[in-house]
Amino acid sequence: GAVVSQHPSRVICKSGTSVKIECRSLDFQATTMFWYRQFPKQSLMLMATSNEGSKATYEQGVEKDKFLINHASLTLSTLTVTSAHPEDSSFYICSAPTLQGGNSPLHFGNGTRLTVT
Amino acid sequence: AQSVTQPDIHITVSEGASLELRCNYSYGATPYLFWYVQSPGQGLQLLLKYFSGDTLVQGIKGFEAEFKRSQSSFNLRKPSVHWSDAAEYFCAVGENKLTFGGGTRVLVKP
Repeated sequence: GAVVSQHPSRVICKSGTSVKIECRSLDFQATTMFWYRQFPKQSLMLMATSNEGSKATYEQGVEKDKFLINHASLTLSTLTVTSAHPEDSSFYICSAPTLQGGNSPLHFGNGTRLTVT
Repeated sequence: AQSVTQPDIHITVSEGASLELRCNYSYGATPYLFWYVQSPGQGLQLLLKYFSGDTLVQGIKGFEAEFKRSQSSFNLRKPSVHWSDAAEYFCAVGENKLTFGGGTRVLVKP
């Protein structure tokens, strides 16, 4: 079945550095991918929609200059947390639909736990 | 705007007992509804989804959910829980861009 792979699964970085998280669709092409953020013991919040070949669409309140999204190919989207700070520590999860449209199966990656020290 | 409410933050249930998790949604059109389960530190696993048709939806791991338009609800049920069902459960609404409820943490007593 369709699988979405996220890498790394966990990362620890120092404050002020940048971290890149990859989201790959392994056996299907995804023109759109979604990035979510989950704080400890909280729900998932949509951060942005990654669009292959065009700019990402960010949700209200999400800093586009801080969370850089690049959808370089039909199977890869990357989220770069720039100049990370401790408050950026969170669980980041991506998802991708196998087809366009609301009734398409939506597959989630296993998430990336980011800890900023 | 779409929204999802899960009224119960956590539920404790005895192994072998039945489980029902509540979910209420707000959506402008016919909703696409989902239930996901998340184990600690893990990603999301889809339990079941409703798009249209039969309002009683069967999912994996013995779970089912019933869509009730009149009550704007999509409650998740399992007749007999197993210790491995202890996890966080999320209800979600939307098409590809999902809005999640706050989650319900399920604890299973032996």
